[in-house]
Amino acid sequence: GAGVSQTPSNKVTEKGKYVELRCDPISGHTALYWYRQSLGQGPEFLIYFQGTGAADDSGLPNDRFFAVRPEGSVSTLKIQRTERGDSAVYLCASSLTSGDQETQYFGPGTRLLVL
Amino acid sequence: GDSVTQMEGPVTLSEEAFLTINCTYTATGYPSLFWYVQYPGEGLQLLLKATKADDKGSNKGFEATYRKETTSFHLEKGSVQVSDSAVYFCALSEGGGADGLTFGKGTHLIIQP
Repeated sequence: GAGVSQTPSNKVTEKGKYVELRCDPISGHTALYWYRQSLGQGPEFLIYFQGTGAADDSGLPNDRFFAVRPEGSVSTLKIQRTERGDSAVYLCASSLTSGDQETQYFGPGTRLLVL
Repeated sequence: GDSVTQMEGPVTLSEEAFLTINCTYTATGYPSLFWYVQYPGEGLQLLLKATKADDKGSNKGFEATYRKETTSFHLEKGSVQVSDSAVYFCALSEGGGADGLTFGKGTHLIIQP
């Protein structure tokens, strides 16, 4: 079985534009997570889904960031009115179910550069 | 809020040296603790984990023991290899609906032959 995949691998956009980042979790995994990793830092939690619903979105930095998972599988992270400070690697992870003991499997990330 | 503190890198060692990477945490409850590793050009992958106090996680010769009294989860390996060169991240998860991982900043390990 394939691991977590993310597309695109790289995205360059201009300040003020809208971007969508896609995550395909491991088949059968019900929990899906988004993180943001800035250069030289550890990943920072953004949001997690259990099934179709956002179980915890406390890490989203502001209302320009939004994520959906309409069918409980693929998820899209949407960023409106991008700013240069949004430049980072966006990581997606999935786990078989939710819970603090579950192992999260990470995708390769999408490197976003806002010019 | 929760936080994880790791020793700053880079850490440079010779092959077959003993490795310790320190990790301490702050959490309101009793979290699960993890070490993730990122090899050059690859994604994050789980190295080991421990889910309750005094548990020892181990994998690929690495070990870490969950110490509640010192709120620590130090990573150790008795004899490192060049192939262990990577960035190592300590992380915790509180659970109870707050299942996102809180990561440290990472420690870059360089092993010289």
